[in-house]
Amino acid sequence: GAGVSQSPRYKVAKRGQDVALRCDPISGHVSLFWYQQALGQGPEFLTYFQNEAQLDKSGLPSDRFFAERPEGSVSTLKIQRTQQEDSAVYLCASSLGTGTNQPQHFGDGTRLSIL
Amino acid sequence: GENVEQHPSTLSVQEGDSAVIKCTYSDSASNYFPWYKQELGKGPQLIIDIRSNVGEKKDQRIAVTLNKTAKHFSLHITETQPEDSAVYFCAADTGFQKLVFGTGTRLLVSP
Repeated sequence: GAGVSQSPRYKVAKRGQDVALRCDPISGHVSLFWYQQALGQGPEFLTYFQNEAQLDKSGLPSDRFFAERPEGSVSTLKIQRTQQEDSAVYLCASSLGTGTNQPQHFGDGTRLSIL
Repeated sequence: GENVEQHPSTLSVQEGDSAVIKCTYSDSASNYFPWYKQELGKGPQLIIDIRSNVGEKKDQRIAVTLNKTAKHFSLHITETQPEDSAVYFCAADTGFQKLVFGTGTRLLVSP
């Protein structure tokens, strides 16, 4: 009974470097979400996929952030030219269906620290 | 857009007492309200949710109530135990597959 799996769990990068964060959703889950959680805050929506289609990317903070899900399963969130303000926990969630009110199940996140 | 406010930010109770966390939302179109428990170093864990066509839902020691007219919903935990200690988040979904979270409540249950 695998849940949502994220890797790496921790990532340290120097300012200006590019990073890639991976998410393996629950098998069979159609919808996939990325959230950003700053220290002491609630998660904030970044982007949403339905299968391989990115249907909403309204939460991405800048064009340095890019997400993909090419085969409708594994997703990668890429951040280019990282800045210190990018330091946060990046959470991935998946849900079974595509309709509204679908429970979202979260992974344990990747803690990103930009030096 | 949707805005969710959550109170209190911290809550300390004795083991066996009840705990209540309250949230308000701004968008009347919101129709799904999940609650998550987050332990240190872990991702949010869904503990209960409620849909807008229901006023109350209960699961063992946990219950959630929803008042659509007032646009607020609450989490009730009875007979609290030390393992209930965590940060709790409420959230609202306007139907666009995007959860908007509250700022969290740190619950501490003392033995």
